[in-house]
Amino acid sequence: GAGVSQSPSNKVTEKGKDVELRCDPISGHTALYWYRQSLGQGLEFLIYFQGNSAPDKSGLPSDRFSAERTGGSVSTLTIQRTQQEDSAVYLCASSLALQGHRYAGEQFFGPGTRLTVL
Amino acid sequence: GENVEQHPSTLSVQEGDSAVIKCTYSDSASNYFPWYKQELGKRPQLIIDIRSNVGEKKDQRIAVTLNKTAKHFSLHITETQPEDSAVYFCAASFGGSYIPTFGRGTSLIVHP
Repeated sequence: GAGVSQSPSNKVTEKGKDVELRCDPISGHTALYWYRQSLGQGLEFLIYFQGNSAPDKSGLPSDRFSAERTGGSVSTLTIQRTQQEDSAVYLCASSLALQGHRYAGEQFFGPGTRLTVL
Repeated sequence: GENVEQHPSTLSVQEGDSAVIKCTYSDSASNYFPWYKQELGKRPQLIIDIRSNVGEKKDQRIAVTLNKTAKHFSLHITETQPEDSAVYFCAASFGGSYIPTFGRGTSLIVHP
């Protein structure tokens, strides 16, 4: 089936504007993750969803960042009042991390959204 | 929480040589250790993983070894090729917490 998709692929915005990034996970994947990757850097964890709930929001860098997931599928990451330091590639991943499983599973990543804040 | 250290940050080898990337983790409850490869401008993709009930796993030219006592695991690539050039990330996680902790990545450069 189709892999993880993200939109838009590129987003250029002005400082102070709000942006919404969308992630469509693989159908049936209950776990969804958002990461941020700055140029040449590693994967910075932002938030994790199990179904529609977010048991771990610890990675969100400030209260300007929020995310939601509806219907156990599509997720939206919103950044309000964007700053230049928000410029990065935002990656979404999904996995079959079912509650009660002994092991976490493979994460499937989307192509990312490259956000540039001018 | 879990902490994963990855070394080296950059690794440069000649085509045909072997490459080894090492990671250490802090949480003895971790039981799943994947490795992801990220080519320039592409998304990370799983290349191999190992669970805590085995010590070694091989897939053609790549292998992963796990030492649970010492809490470290390594990626081995033999007969490297230019197309192996990429950033490699290790990660560790455990059942009950489905959030993997990633290492900071190793940039592997294979010179023809």
